[in-house]
Amino acid sequence: AQKVTQAQTEISVVEKEDVTLDCVYETRDTTYYLFWYKQPPSGELVFLIRRNSFDEQNEISGRYSWNFQKSTSSFNFTITASQVVDSAVYFCALSEADSWGKFQFGAGTQVVVTP
Amino acid sequence: NAGVTQTPKFRVLKTGQSMTLLCAQDMNHEYMYWYRQDPGMGLRLIHYSVGEGTTAKGEVPDGYNVSRLKKQNFLLGLESAAPSQTSVYFCASSPEYSNQPQHFGDGTRLSIL
Repeated sequence: AQKVTQAQTEISVVEKEDVTLDCVYETRDTTYYLFWYKQPPSGELVFLIRRNSFDEQNEISGRYSWNFQKSTSSFNFTITASQVVDSAVYFCALSEADSWGKFQFGAGTQVVVTP
Repeated sequence: NAGVTQTPKFRVLKTGQSMTLLCAQDMNHEYMYWYRQDPGMGLRLIHYSVGEGTTAKGEVPDGYNVSRLKKQNFLLGLESAAPSQTSVYFCASSPEYSNQPQHFGDGTRLSIL
C-alpha cells in the first residue's frame, strides 16, 4: 500500500520569510513518482513539480525548491521569500509505476502568508 | 484551451436524489479519474478509467457509479445521494503513463441536504 503524510496542517508566516513543507511517503515499489500541487483559494489544482524515484537531484525553480531524499522517504518543498500570493493549500502526491497513474495524496498543508 | 471541464460547478441536492457529474477533456488523454476532497483528508480516489469503455474502483467507490462511453468524457453518478457525499469533486486526466502529472478540472461543489 502507498501512503503520503503531510504532518503540517497549517503554516503561518510573514511575507518574505521562508517556509518548508514536509512530505513523507511509503511505498514498496522501487520505481515511483512524486508530485507537488498547489490549490489557491480559488480552488483549482495547479501542478508544480514531478520527481522520479531514480533521480535524487534537487531542483530550484525561482523561489521554489525541492529536496528529495530516498534514504528518509521525504520530498520536501521550500518557498523562499514568501509572498501573499503563495497562500494556498499544497499537496504532495505519490504514483507507483504500475498503478495506472493513480495518485495517493497527502492531506495537504495550508500556507498562510500575511503582509 | 479548455483542458478538463467539469459540469456543473455547484449543485444542491436533497437526500435520495440522483445526479450525474460530467467531466470532459480535450487533451486526448487515456486515463481519467474522479476524486473527492474533504477537509483534512486531501483528495481521495473514487473511480478511475484507463481507456474508453473501462472503469475501476478507487479508494472510496461506495455510493458512486461511473461510465466512460467516449474517450473524452467520464461521468460520475450518484444514484441516491446521502449527506456524507457532500464534498468537492474533482475530475482529472493524464496521458498513458504513471509518471505524468494529472490535469484537474476546477471542481464541483456538491451539497446534500
